[in-house]
Amino acid sequence: EVQLVESGGGLVKPGGSLRLSCEASGFTLSSYRMNWVRQAPGKGLEWVSCISDSSYIYYADSVKGRFTISRDIAKNSLYLQMNSLRDEDTAVYYCARDLMVRGVLINTFDYWGQGTLVTVSS
Amino acid sequence: EIVLTQSPATLSLSPGERATLSCRASQSLSSYLAWYQQKPGQAPRLLIYDASNRATGIPARFSGSGSGTDFTLTISSLEPEDFAVYYCQQRSNWPPTFGQGTKLEIK
Repeated sequence: EVQLVESGGGLVKPGGSLRLSCEASGFTLSSYRMNWVRQAPGKGLEWVSCISDSSYIYYADSVKGRFTISRDIAKNSLYLQMNSLRDEDTAVYYCARDLMVRGVLINTFDYWGQGTLVTVSS
Repeated sequence: EIVLTQSPATLSLSPGERATLSCRASQSLSSYLAWYQQKPGQAPRLLIYDASNRATGIPARFSGSGSGTDFTLTISSLEPEDFAVYYCQQRSNWPPTFGQGTKLEIK
């Protein structure tokens, strides 16, 4: 059974840092493009970052230069290092797996974790 | 960045009724659009990918249609568990973007 479990959220002051983790089970994380998607309180969904099966990395403009995505193959885990945090980064952060259709990963998210809440406030 | 506009913002219907949700894109997506369902306190759940393909385990009462800039999610006969927020998401252009959501509530 595919499972994604996030951790690492919490309360942090503006300008601070936080590292989120997403532990995967039931599949090999490095064989998929993995994503972080966030949702501000009461708002919609925003794609944040991804790391492809070939290790290509992309970021939303809103977090570029402040967030770093990475993975640990041995631990089958995904990470998001968040620096220089701002009030507007307050959100639930989900890790999500790309859907594979006939062997092609298609930028559509078939499995999601339960999310971890990041609150940026002084 | 492609903007997705969902309508209506809120849809009030009764169990057993048919629901029709709309998603309009700011430019053509071909058929590269997905639909998700989200219930309070839960992660989104993939329903439909590439406009009309049901994801694994999704009941047949959920169907998607459309291409280009106009897409529709139809729920043929609402069950009590279908009342939730629905989001569309495009993968045609980078970065992937989501609509603002349609809340389907019990009338």
